[in-house]
Amino acid sequence: DAGVTQSPTHLIKTRGQQVTLRCSPKSGHDTVSWYQQALGQGPQFIFQYYEEEERQRGNFPDRFSGHQFPNYSSELNVNALLLGDSALYLCASSWGTDFSLNTEAFFGQGTRLTVV
Amino acid sequence: GNSVTQMEGPVTLSEEAFLTINCTYTATGYPSLFWYVQYPGEGLQLLLKATKADDKGSNKGFEATYRKETTSFHLEKGSVQVSDSAVYFCALRSGGYKLSFGAGTTVTVRA
Repeated sequence: DAGVTQSPTHLIKTRGQQVTLRCSPKSGHDTVSWYQQALGQGPQFIFQYYEEEERQRGNFPDRFSGHQFPNYSSELNVNALLLGDSALYLCASSWGTDFSLNTEAFFGQGTRLTVV
Repeated sequence: GNSVTQMEGPVTLSEEAFLTINCTYTATGYPSLFWYVQYPGEGLQLLLKATKADDKGSNKGFEATYRKETTSFHLEKGSVQVSDSAVYFCALRSGGYKLSFGAGTTVTVRA
């Protein structure tokens, strides 16, 4: 089992550019969440995708958008990059909709984005 | 809203010392509580969890008890090893799908 895979591992972009980050969920998982982890901070929830739709969103501007494909993989897009967008972007996958089952979220190793 | 406050680090210990990392939370409803660990260069891994009051989560010698009366979920380990050096995050989930994390505590164990 490959677990959650993210690409690329590192990325350097210039202010104002656009970036796309990719995530493949763990086998058997159908839900993908994205988190932003600034240096020295805990991860902050960006949004979650299920059945190709955004199910919940955190406090992030519309410059952050996403997509989920029929094979459950997902992309995170960030437009008009700011220096403050420099962070580790983590993808987490899980299964199902019923959190009373307390399904575990599995995290990828992340994409380190540097905006210069 | 939901929030997690955890003990600031860094924490430096000698091998076989006792480790405690304090975590308190504010949440609506009845949250599930988690401890995640992040080893250098890696993503987050679930260490343990508790889903209701008085539950005790345990894994790899680590333990944490869900205390509703004190809104706490402190992490403990009786005898740490060098391999326990990592960043530890307390987190909760309540009334939705997102995890809310604390700022993390860096733990360094010296041989």
